[in-house]
Amino acid sequence: DAGVIQSPRHEVTEMGQEVTLRCKPISGHDYLFWYRQTMMRGLELLIYFNNNVPIDDSGMPEDRFSAKMPNASFSTLKIQPSEPRDSAVYFCASSLIGNLAGELFFGEGSRLTVL
Amino acid sequence: GDSVTQMEGPVTLSEEAFLTINCTYTATGYPSLFWYVQYPGEGLQLLLKATKADDKGSNKGFEATYRKETTSFHLEKGSVQVSDSAVYFCALRHIQGAQKLVFGQGTRLTINP
Repeated sequence: DAGVIQSPRHEVTEMGQEVTLRCKPISGHDYLFWYRQTMMRGLELLIYFNNNVPIDDSGMPEDRFSAKMPNASFSTLKIQPSEPRDSAVYFCASSLIGNLAGELFFGEGSRLTVL
Repeated sequence: GDSVTQMEGPVTLSEEAFLTINCTYTATGYPSLFWYVQYPGEGLQLLLKATKADDKGSNKGFEATYRKETTSFHLEKGSVQVSDSAVYFCALRHIQGAQKLVFGQGTRLTINP
């Protein structure tokens, strides 16, 4: 079975450019999460969706960040304009609430470097 | 709010040593508890889980028991291998109400041959 698929795996861009990260969750999962990982701050939850609806975006750093989930099989995280401090690994994860334990399944991440 | 606290890292051990990584949590009710592992350059993988008090999760020689009385979920392995070198994250999640997974800060483990 295909897991959570993220693209691109690596992105290098210059400050001020727009960055779009993409995620395809596991088919049938009804929750989708975006996390950011840095050495300084560890894993931070940015936003999560339930049935394509944003539930909690309190972790989104500022207005430069936006996330959408137009359908059950696709989500994007956009940064515009990007800044060097946005450099991090961004993970997408999905889960199925019907699962007793509720574990999340993670993608391999998108490593973003903003110069 | 909910929180997870892990022992400070990094942890360095010799091959075949006994491993314990402490994890305690603060939460209302009865969350599910997890250990995730992250190998270098990869995403997080579920290592083991427990959904109720006194449950023992186990996988790949690792074990952790859900202790409600001490609000703990310590990770143990009897004999570690070089291939166990990774970052380990303890986490909790409520199935009811707020659904987000709350992570500890992670513990970097290095096993020397």
